[in-house]
Amino acid sequence: GAGVSQSPSNKVTEKGKDVELRCDPISGHTALYWYRQRLGQGLEFLIYFQGNSAPDKSGLPSDRFSAERTGESVSTLTIQRTQQEDSAVYLCASSPGGRSRRNEQYFGPGTRLTVT
Amino acid sequence: DQQVKQNSPSLSVQEGRISILNCDYTNSMFDYFLWYKKYPAEGPTFLISISSIKDKNEDGRFTVFLNKSAKHLSLHIVPSQPGDSAVYFCAAKVVGSNYKLTFGKGTLLTVNP
Repeated sequence: GAGVSQSPSNKVTEKGKDVELRCDPISGHTALYWYRQRLGQGLEFLIYFQGNSAPDKSGLPSDRFSAERTGESVSTLTIQRTQQEDSAVYLCASSPGGRSRRNEQYFGPGTRLTVT
Repeated sequence: DQQVKQNSPSLSVQEGRISILNCDYTNSMFDYFLWYKKYPAEGPTFLISISSIKDKNEDGRFTVFLNKSAKHLSLHIVPSQPGDSAVYFCAAKVVGSNYKLTFGKGTLLTVNP
């Protein structure tokens, strides 16, 4: 079956521009996550969506970052007025949300963002 | 403040031998630990996990050991295969949270034929 997909795979943008990253989770997965991986670092949690509950935005690094999810489908991560320190791979993951498998997150290939 | 630490950025082993990847943590509220494997240009894939109530979990060639008193876990791969060459991430979850994972920086494993 189809896994988590993300687009674009690569994005180069100028400092100060806005960017929008897209994630298509696995069909039927109620939970969706965004992470950021800077060069040489581990994955940083950004935001979590679970069904119709209020998202956990505690990992968003600044108010320039926002994310939306429509129901249990596509999510978009928006970064406004991009800065060079935003350069990273942005990873999306989804999970079934059921208790027995709540920790098995399935990752997409990521979007490599480069801010020049 | 790095709560999950993978102090070896890289590890090289011969095919057929054992690979041991280590992970240390500082947060005593972690109750569940996971290992993910990542190939270049792909997202991480779940490999194996262990609950804090256990000290060992085995799945085929992969075994994870947890030493709670030392706040240390390790992933053993026996026998190692060239296809195991990847970056391995250790991750941990705080008790009461069913989703927020804290990741280490990863260890690049190279298995030489």
